[in-house]
Amino acid sequence: KNQVEQSPQSLIILEGKNCTLQCNYTVSPFSNLRWYKQDTGRGPVSLTIMTFSENTKSNGRYTATLDADTKQSSLHITASQLSDSASYICVVSAPGANNLFFGTGTRLTVIP
Amino acid sequence: DSGVTQTPKHLITATGQRVTLRCSPRSGDLSVYWYQQSLDQGLQFLIQYYNGEERAKGNILERFSAQQFPDLHSELNLSSLELGDSALYFCAGSAYLTGELFFGEGSRLTVL
Repeated sequence: KNQVEQSPQSLIILEGKNCTLQCNYTVSPFSNLRWYKQDTGRGPVSLTIMTFSENTKSNGRYTATLDADTKQSSLHITASQLSDSASYICVVSAPGANNLFFGTGTRLTVIP
Repeated sequence: DSGVTQTPKHLITATGQRVTLRCSPRSGDLSVYWYQQSLDQGLQFLIQYYNGEERAKGNILERFSAQQFPDLHSELNLSSLELGDSALYFCAGSAYLTGELFFGEGSRLTVL
């Protein structure tokens, strides 16, 4: 069964600290993996998208890694800011229609 | 700004009523996806249209229907509304080459 699991479910960190969010998936075949940031009550916004051949991709203070062999991805946030408080959603894509599998997200809260 | 427009932003209605949510994808994006997000829940895929035709169906209730028009805008029709239908409804367009999703800001439906 194609599934995407994210951990932790929620996380609270101090402003300025780093954190790492995890995404494990069983989706096969695999096309790409995406990380989205969703502010409360807003639409998700794409952070990174990685294909099978990419191990790491950065977007400012966000760095995503992908290990396609172990079917694991992580999102590392450096020097967190209050505006990083949001849900982070991992989405794995397989070829074909109805091919997107969503994790339930990690709720990150950055406190001063 | 993702370039995807959803209207209305907020909608309050009563049980048993019918509502229509509207989505305009970015110029040139042929795919439209509809998602439902209940309070503190993950995104649930409802339905996808591609260039006017239904491409994939998710967990969409029979009381819900959608269509995509020749100008590529899409409408999601929700009828015989129940309290449990209260949620954020997101529309997303898909970039042709990358498949990246661009989400609208959502329509918040409250059924009283």
